[in-house]
Amino acid sequence: AAGVIQSPRHLIKEKRETATLKCYPIPRHDTVYWYQQGPGQDPQFLISFYEKMQSDKGSIPDRFSAQQFSDYHSELNMSSLELGDSALYFCASSHQGQGDSEQYFGPGTRLTVT
Amino acid sequence: ILNVEQSPQSLHVQEGDSTNFTCSFPSSNFYALHWYRWETAKSPEALFVMTLNGDEKKKGRISATLNTKEGYSYLYIKGSQPEDSATYLCAFPSPADYKLSFGAGTTVTVRA
Repeated sequence: AAGVIQSPRHLIKEKRETATLKCYPIPRHDTVYWYQQGPGQDPQFLISFYEKMQSDKGSIPDRFSAQQFSDYHSELNMSSLELGDSALYFCASSHQGQGDSEQYFGPGTRLTVT
Repeated sequence: ILNVEQSPQSLHVQEGDSTNFTCSFPSSNFYALHWYRWETAKSPEALFVMTLNGDEKKKGRISATLNTKEGYSYLYIKGSQPEDSATYLCAFPSPADYKLSFGAGTTVTVRA
């Protein structure tokens, strides 16, 4: 079965550079969630989109922005990167964005800021 | 962010033994509870979504129970196998916006 696809899988950037992470949800899933997991930390919710509109915002820095496109894929844009942004970024998708719908996670993008 | 706690933080289990561990969450305004299994170097895999008090769900040797009144869920692994070694996360979606708050996880290591 098709799963959530994230690209790239690994990304190395320097401080103050920008990065774009992409997420392709499972077909027919209309909700996308972004999570950040720092080293040794729990996943932290960043932002979510339902039907191409932002549905909720968590602990996402102002330097980050995201959107969901007409084909339901989502992109997380990160500017003025800092060393502390180094983390594993997971995207998850679900159907209808309801709390009782399972979220299916992608493999993650490991971002390293040097 | 809602307070979701898991205990113990880690477990070492002999192959063939059964084990269980806990997730506690706010009991007011309960909507659902998610369990995920997370193996090293892989993404979290959905195990269960539980919504009703008294719910019991099962997937193979793994099962979970739910008590929404007292705010806890147990996950059980029966006859542990080395492939059960993983971190098991519970997550609680906010009733207002469905944003998931994750527990810190229980890391299970099954020794052959």
